[in-house]
Amino acid sequence: QSVLTQPPSASGTPGQWVTIPCSGGRSNVGRNVVHWYQQVPGTAPKLLIYSNDQRPSGVPDRFSGSKSGTSASLAISGLQSEDEADYYCAANDDGLNGPVFGGGTQLTVL
Amino acid sequence: QVHLQESGPGLVRPSQTLSLTCTVSGGSFGSGGYYWGWIRQHPGKGLEWVGYIYDNGRTYYNPSLQSRLSISMDTSKRQVSLRLTSVTAADAAVYYCAAAGYISNVADYWGHGILVTVSS
Repeated sequence: QSVLTQPPSASGTPGQWVTIPCSGGRSNVGRNVVHWYQQVPGTAPKLLIYSNDQRPSGVPDRFSGSKSGTSASLAISGLQSEDEADYYCAANDDGLNGPVFGGGTQLTVL
Repeated sequence: QVHLQESGPGLVRPSQTLSLTCTVSGGSFGSGGYYWGWIRQHPGKGLEWVGYIYDNGRTYYNPSLQSRLSISMDTSKRQVSLRLTSVTAADAAVYYCAAAGYISNVADYWGHGILVTVSS
């Protein structure tokens, strides 16, 4: 049981806009920034969005993040087949004194 | 750019000690205010933070593992080590070495991961 809650799956067709929600609590998402990771099966996760809505160098602007209260969201516009992967949200938890993760959302491009 | 490479045995017997090493290349190690540590992923499951060591040597452990876990760093070798005692099948996972503090406070750079199986 993951501390942060994500839907197990999401899907869309090429060119569509898709959002993946992440729900937490006051000790994590509510008080700390949220990061998003993309993991292609068989490979290590990659930082996709940091500090709620910032993109590391090299990440396309089709990816965007937002946060409000104890919820965060990852949005992908102009969906492409290469976006098919697992997506995880993460945030530091004040009680744990370390990061907690969502259970991951498997994105399928139909 | 920071590169992380995990090494260690892929098979550990139940009740024995798991020892993994992460070799760091690039970036600042031991003096730059960064976190180095481990995140694991059980087969087909999500990510679980194991623990970190800060550049000043202070350690942060997941409370669920704290009684069995030790993370250390050797600045001369640019290595971070994990030691997990009394392993069980629940410790079987892919263990990723991770570095944080450059961009995010969770994990900015990841190693390729090492699969650890627990079996007699």
